[in-house]
Amino acid sequence: GENVEQHPSTLSVQEGDSAVIKCTYSDSASNYFPWYKQELGKRPQLIIDIRSNVGEKKDQRIAVTLNKTAKHFSLHITETQPEDSAVYFCAAQAGSSASKIIFGSGTRLSIRP
Amino acid sequence: GAVVSQHPSWVICKSGTSVKIECRSLDFQATTMFWYRQFPKQSLMLMATSNEGSKATYEQGVEKDKFLINHASLTLSTLTVTSAHPEDSSFYICSVGTRASTDTQYFGPGTRLTVL
Repeated sequence: GENVEQHPSTLSVQEGDSAVIKCTYSDSASNYFPWYKQELGKRPQLIIDIRSNVGEKKDQRIAVTLNKTAKHFSLHITETQPEDSAVYFCAAQAGSSASKIIFGSGTRLSIRP
Repeated sequence: GAVVSQHPSWVICKSGTSVKIECRSLDFQATTMFWYRQFPKQSLMLMATSNEGSKATYEQGVEKDKFLINHASLTLSTLTVTSAHPEDSSFYICSVGTRASTDTQYFGPGTRLTVL
């Protein structure tokens, strides 16, 4: 089955700097890669996603890259702000939304003022 | 996006009792629902996949007789934690998906279970 690895487990950056979180996946059949932000005690919130037919996607300060050959994908947050502090999860999914999502282990991002 | 609710949002129970958690899709038909468990400072771990009208598929290591899942309609799935013990204390989250072209799943708000 699918296995998703995520690094680093914790990340502290100065406000205004960039943050990068990296993930790898094992199942070449995975074709959808969402990223979630989770605040304490709340549900995961989808912040950006990428499909396997695309190499890069950007939404304002957030961007995601995908290297299908290497089975790597990364989240980039630029101009970080205090409200970016949260736990971020990468995930991988094969097929439609009726397919299960496998989550990475999570990255606790802290933004230093 | 779709609206997914869970009930209750939190529950405290005594060891040995059973607890039922409901997951409802409020504005679309959810052919598939997923149940996750999240321990403090850990990731979401998939417990089972629930398809409407059929038996749930459990992930390896999840006891199907302890975590009973019923998906009797396209808008409701229930997870019953039977004979709960303190180690079952966790955050339980459901998500729903359809067979439509979109890959996005929609998560419920979660249920915090505390077993004394």
